[in-house]
Amino acid sequence: GEDVEQSLFLSVREGDSSVINCTYTDSSSTYLYWYKQEPGAGLQLLTYIFSNMDMKQDQRLTVLLNKKDKHLSLRIADTQTGDSAIYFCAESIIVYAGGTSYGKLTFGQGTILTVHP
Amino acid sequence: AAGVIQSPRHLIKEKRETATLKCYPIPRHDTVYWYQQGPGQDPQFLISFYEKMQSDKGSIPDRFSAQQFSDYHSELNMSSLELGDSALYFCASSSFGGTYEQYFGPGTRLTVT
Repeated sequence: GEDVEQSLFLSVREGDSSVINCTYTDSSSTYLYWYKQEPGAGLQLLTYIFSNMDMKQDQRLTVLLNKKDKHLSLRIADTQTGDSAIYFCAESIIVYAGGTSYGKLTFGQGTILTVHP
Repeated sequence: AAGVIQSPRHLIKEKRETATLKCYPIPRHDTVYWYQQGPGQDPQFLISFYEKMQSDKGSIPDRFSAQQFSDYHSELNMSSLELGDSALYFCASSSFGGTYEQYFGPGTRLTVT
């Protein structure tokens, strides 16, 4: 089945690193994504990692994937107050339907990141 | 770069009324998805379309219907609205193949009173 879990809250000081963790259960996940949602706003795709990768770095963001443990993490270096938001991890199962293939997303509950000055 | 456009951004309806939400995908994206996000919840997949045909269906109530038009925009029609339909409705789009990432619109906040 598809189940994605995250811790609900994380509080850090400005300038520190933040690590947001996520576990998933479906071993057929192909891509794993991190989305950011600010209050009242849409979902912004931050980064993604392909399931055959262990790590991906993109500026201040580092994604680590432990496929054996089905554990995904997002590290934000030098966290700023503007990083305060809800962060969703999502797993993507490739679905073949209706003459096409696409990634069917299942989201975690979201982690509320609060950055203190 | 062009993003997904949704309209209206806010909508207030009464119980038992109908609502129509519109979504304009990123140019050259051929797949559209609809999600519902209740207060404090994660987005839940409702339905998706590829090349104007329904490609997948999630937890969409029978009172809701959707379609994708020849210009790839999509509309979500909601009838007999209930208080529990109050939520943020997101549209996302992607292009066939590639890395399957979905880009989300800003959402339509529907309030049913």
